[in-house]
This record gives sequence, structure tokens and C-alpha cells, in this order.
Amino acid sequence: AQKVTQAQTEISVVEKEDVTLDCVYETRDTTYYLFWYKQPPSGELVFLIRRNSFDEQNEISGRYSWNFQKSTSSFNFTITASQVVDSAVYFCALVNNAGNMLTFGGGTRLMVKP
Amino acid sequence: DTGVSQNPRHKITKRGQNVTFRCDPISEHNRLYWYRQTLGQGPEFLTYFQNEAQLEKSRLLSDRFSAERPKGSFSTLEIQRTEQGDSAMYLCASSVHRDGELFFGEGSRLTVL
Repeated sequence: AQKVTQAQTEISVVEKEDVTLDCVYETRDTTYYLFWYKQPPSGELVFLIRRNSFDEQNEISGRYSWNFQKSTSSFNFTITASQVVDSAVYFCALVNNAGNMLTFGGGTRLMVKP
Repeated sequence: DTGVSQNPRHKITKRGQNVTFRCDPISEHNRLYWYRQTLGQGPEFLTYFQNEAQLEKSRLLSDRFSAERPKGSFSTLEIQRTEQGDSAMYLCASSVHRDGELFFGEGSRLTVL
């Protein structure tokens, strides 16, 4: 069975602060993929990143960066210099190599105040 | 292409009525997924199609739920004899690859009174 836990249900920061969203996962598979999605108020889930279990390199894309640590089963997401437009619910998700089903965490609601 | 399209966006119905949602995926995507999302929760997988074949169904998909994708293009999700517990956002997504990025629609919100 797979499980994704996002312990932070809600985070509030002031614009320009850095913020890290935590994600911890459980799986028995050796090959799997991890994802982050953003869900703005409009409701549409927007893909941010996919990472496979064999690639532990951290990734940076603009103000976004991801830290994958297999030893602690974590895939954390950091937003640097947050902006009001970053306000949304962020979901971490997992799928194994054989499956077609994404397992989502409960999400973290990020509120960035001006 | 404008992405994954779902309609209706909102549906309010009385308990016991039947409802149907439609999803039009991105045209070249052969994989189509339905998820359900309740308030404050992450999306939960319901079912998956590859072309017209329904290959996987969640235990969440009770006998009152049926999904089809007759020609491998658009899909419908029907809920019969709706219950208040069916109130949720129903999300459709499509993709090209099995482990690839899913493209989600904006969802169809169901409210059962």
C-alpha cells in the first residue's frame, strides 16, 4: 500500500519569505515516481514536477526547489521569496512503476500575505 | 488545444436523482482518469481508461457509479441514486504516458441536497 503524508495542513507567510512544504511517503516499491501539484482557487490541479526514485538530485526551477531524500522518504518543496500568487493548495503525490493510480497527500494550504 | 474540459462545472441535485458528468481529454491523450476530491482532502482515484478500455477501478467506485469511454475520446461518469456522501468535486485528468504528468480539468462540483 502507498501513502503520502503532508503534515502541514496550512501555512501562512508574508510575501518575500521562503517557505518549505513537507512531504513524506510510504511505498514498498523500489521504482516509483513523486509529484507536486498546485491547486489554485480555480480548482484545476497544475503539475509542477515529477521525480523518479532513482534520481535523488535536487532540482531548482526559478523560485521553486525540491529536495528528495530517499533515506527519510521525503520530497520537500521550497518556494523562495514567496509571492501572493503562490497562494494555493499544494499536493504531493506518488505512483509506482506498475500502477496507474496517483496517491495524493492531504495537501498544504499556503497563504502568502502582502 | 484548450486542455481537459469538464461539464457541468456545478451540479446541485436532490438525493436519489441520477447525475452524469462529461470529460473531454486532450485530444492525443489515450489515458483518462477520474478522481474525487472532498473538501480539505487530496484527490482520490476512482477509475482509469486506456483508450476505450476501463483498466482499473477503485473500491470507492460503488455499484451506483459507472464510467464509460465509448470511443476512446470523451468519458462520462454517472452516479445513480445520489446520496449526500457523494457531494464532492469530480476531477478528470488525461495523460500520454503511464507514469507521466497528468493534465487535470477544472472539475465538476456535485452538491447533493
